[in-house]
Amino acid sequence: KQEVTQIPAALSVPEGENLVLNCSFTDSAIYNLQWFRQDPGKGLTSLLLIQSSQREQTSGRLNASLDKSSGRSTLYIAASQPGDSATYLCAVRPEDFGNEKLTFGTGTRLTIIP
Amino acid sequence: GAVVSQHPSWVICKSGTSVKIECRSLDFQATTMFWYRQFPKQSLMLMATSNEGSKATYEQGVEKDKFLINHASLTLSTLTVTSAHPEDSSFYICSAMAGTSGDHYNEQFFGPGTRLTVL
Repeated sequence: KQEVTQIPAALSVPEGENLVLNCSFTDSAIYNLQWFRQDPGKGLTSLLLIQSSQREQTSGRLNASLDKSSGRSTLYIAASQPGDSATYLCAVRPEDFGNEKLTFGTGTRLTIIP
Repeated sequence: GAVVSQHPSWVICKSGTSVKIECRSLDFQATTMFWYRQFPKQSLMLMATSNEGSKATYEQGVEKDKFLINHASLTLSTLTVTSAHPEDSSFYICSAMAGTSGDHYNEQFFGPGTRLTVL
């Protein structure tokens, strides 16, 4: 059974700093990995999706990397802003054909201090 | 594009009543929709997978008679919480997967969630 863990569970950093969020998964047989952002009481916003054949994806100040063999992904946020404060979730999709179920991580609650 | 809506965004009901939550894909056809629940400060847990025109597949531990799922069209799935009790209070989120080719093929898009409170 796939298990996805995110460390740390919570993180507070001053505005302007660069930061890294971590995601690890126990079963490396994944089809893709996705990072989401969730604001309090809201749904999920997709940030980046990395296919299993890719090493990284970038969108603006966000960069996500994937090391499938070691079961790890990182989300790098550059020049953090108060608006980045949210819970960040990673999720993996298994590689077996026809299985679209996502397994979510435990989340990292990020607070950017103005 | 790829917008998913949920209705209602929040609902408060008395114990014993049934509550229906709608999930709609607004600008694409979704052959598969997923229903998740999320307890405070916890991650999303998949409840069931629904495919248009067929019965939903429930995850282990989820009561299919309590959480009725209907996916009658390619743009609408409904979750009905029957005889709701306070322990059913949670945040329910749906996602929809585009079934046709294109930029978003096979990607899940999430709704804004529905907050259910059972008194």
